[in-house]
Amino acid sequence: DTGVSQDPRHKITKRGQNVTFRCDPISEHNRLYWYRQTLGQGPEFLTYFQNEAQLEKSRLLSDRFSAERPKGSFSTLEIQRTEQGDSAMYLCASSAAGTSGGYEQYFGPGTRLTVT
Amino acid sequence: DQQVKQNSPSLSVQEGRISILNCDYTNSMFDYFLWYKKYPAEGPTFLISISSIKDKNEDGRFTVFLNKSAKHLSLHIVPSQPGDSAVYFCAASLFGNEKLTFGTGTRLTIIP
Repeated sequence: DTGVSQDPRHKITKRGQNVTFRCDPISEHNRLYWYRQTLGQGPEFLTYFQNEAQLEKSRLLSDRFSAERPKGSFSTLEIQRTEQGDSAMYLCASSAAGTSGGYEQYFGPGTRLTVT
Repeated sequence: DQQVKQNSPSLSVQEGRISILNCDYTNSMFDYFLWYKKYPAEGPTFLISISSIKDKNEDGRFTVFLNKSAKHLSLHIVPSQPGDSAVYFCAASLFGNEKLTFGTGTRLTIIP
């Protein structure tokens, strides 16, 4: 049983550096999501893909953030010129249609980013 | 603006008793609701969901109740077990819209 996987699990970087995270969704899921979670808060939506198409982006996703899903399988999230405020847990999720007609999202373990 | 609210940051329950976690929402357009459990250093794990056409959904020890008029949902865990100790998040979405809006979470501690 392969769930959603994320790499790396932890990343420490210096302010101003670029970082890239990878997410591999559950293989039969065509929807993929990125969320960010900070201490004491719930996950906040960043963006999502249906197959290769990026269908929605949050206003939280500044110009320094870019996400891709080039072949409709894995996805990457890049943060350019990192700032200390980017320190957070970055969560990836994937989904397929649920039994009640909605879409349960299944999350990976997350990538914890620390910007020093 | 916090559209999904979990007003109890923590809850302690004796093992074997019922745990009741509450969630309120302000956006009346939300029509699909989910509960997730999160252990430290792991991603959220899906527990149970409910659409607005229902007022109750059960899955084993977990039952979710939805009161649309009060914009309130609750998660009941019966009987509570030590492995249920975790942070629980409720989330809401618009049916067919993929974005989940999460509450801030409730830390549940089951006392042996």
